[in-house]
Amino acid sequence: DGGITQSPKYLFRKEGQNVTLSCEQNLNHDAMYWYRQDPGQGLRLIYYSQIVNDFQKGDIAEGYSVSREKKESFPLTVTSAQKNPTAFYLCASSIRDSYNEQFFGPGTRLTVL
Amino acid sequence: AQSVTQLDSQVPVFEEAPVELRCNYSSSVSVYLFWYVQYPNQGLQLLLKYLSGSTLVKGINGFEAEFNKSQTSFHLRKPSVHISDTAEYFCAVMPPRGGSEKLVFGKGTKLTVNP
Repeated sequence: DGGITQSPKYLFRKEGQNVTLSCEQNLNHDAMYWYRQDPGQGLRLIYYSQIVNDFQKGDIAEGYSVSREKKESFPLTVTSAQKNPTAFYLCASSIRDSYNEQFFGPGTRLTVL
Repeated sequence: AQSVTQLDSQVPVFEEAPVELRCNYSSSVSVYLFWYVQYPNQGLQLLLKYLSGSTLVKGINGFEAEFNKSQTSFHLRKPSVHISDTAEYFCAVMPPRGGSEKLVFGKGTKLTVNP
């Protein structure tokens, strides 16, 4: 089955540690996205990539970093510079230059202790 | 820049009652409009979208939405809800071709269907 996988589903880290969230898709989509979801805030775009080896900052990129070395993979690193990292993180993908559906993964809930 | 306002953060209804979830957007240009649903601790799933053409759009699970350009609204409706419709619903807009192709989401409406 085609889709997007995110791992792990739950992640706990100590304050000051960097952590990397995994996102893999087998939909052959060029574009991939990372969103952060906080209660009552909707989804906010962190980073997006429309092609391998290229990515752009979204609205709340500070304290995050990404890489896009393979079409299928778009990992997100939450660095110690992110002041309030506890949140639900969603990865999505879509056909490039398409105004149609973004497909979402199941999400990773990150809790920083 | 585009923005989306979902007027109700929570909407409680009884099973088999009709429901309307309201969405207004602000944009100086034409936009594409979407409704997504999120069940607890899951990702988002597309319910329906408006790109052009008929202003009444039908989606999955019996939902429909009407695009009203003069009122800049895209309200979501269902004539008879089920317990299984309990979820959070997000309205989103995307700028037209030539823009950044980024979705801008509203803050969501939590629909609770009670027996």
